[in-house]
Amino acid sequence: DAKTTQPPSMDCAEGRAANLPCNHSTISGNEYVYWYRQIHSQGPQYIIHGLKNNETNEMASLIITEDRKSSTLILPHATLRDTAVYYCIVSWVSGGYNKLIFGAGTRLAVHP
Amino acid sequence: GAVVSQHPSWVICKSGTSVKIECRSLDFQATTMFWYRQFPKQSLMLMATSNEGSKATYEQGVEKDKFLINHASLTLSTLTVTSAHPEDSSFYICSASPRRDTEAFFGQGTRLTVV
Repeated sequence: DAKTTQPPSMDCAEGRAANLPCNHSTISGNEYVYWYRQIHSQGPQYIIHGLKNNETNEMASLIITEDRKSSTLILPHATLRDTAVYYCIVSWVSGGYNKLIFGAGTRLAVHP
Repeated sequence: GAVVSQHPSWVICKSGTSVKIECRSLDFQATTMFWYRQFPKQSLMLMATSNEGSKATYEQGVEKDKFLINHASLTLSTLTVTSAHPEDSSFYICSASPRRDTEAFFGQGTRLTVV
């Protein structure tokens, strides 16, 4: 089973920030939080990941609480092309590589 | 980011035949790749871990004799669906990472339809 909990769906107005929450209360000390998104009928796209510090890249920001039991993905200025299913994944290492187990994700709808 | 490519993007086959799906890492070497399956309106389900030069590791409930995985080189893993049936119709996706403990990159997926 997935080790994360996300709301099944969210809406966001175009141009506004989209804040997607994720609970991962059983995360262990060496596990990373990864965010991916999947646009319909495509393979998942990597967005961002972090261990304990907040992270930012050209796509998004990741805010991880101090106790690491939850995180928030922030898309600062959502566009219609950001409509997708967003997956928050806590990864562990299998043979040295991150093994990603997907949960149900959050279906984000960005509307004009 | 790194590029992972799958071929074909879609395939239709007759029931009882076998279908091979290729997953290639185009700009890096991957000793480990992962195969997923996704049914409509569902999330990705991990099927197996493909290891270069050794046997694949299958997740619980996945039939290894039905889903044959071969990872013969550092840039290519193949998934063969043997004796395909309509219930095998699904979206198959692979992933790979350029380095250990880093993000994984996914192929564009292969849509298999068994008629």
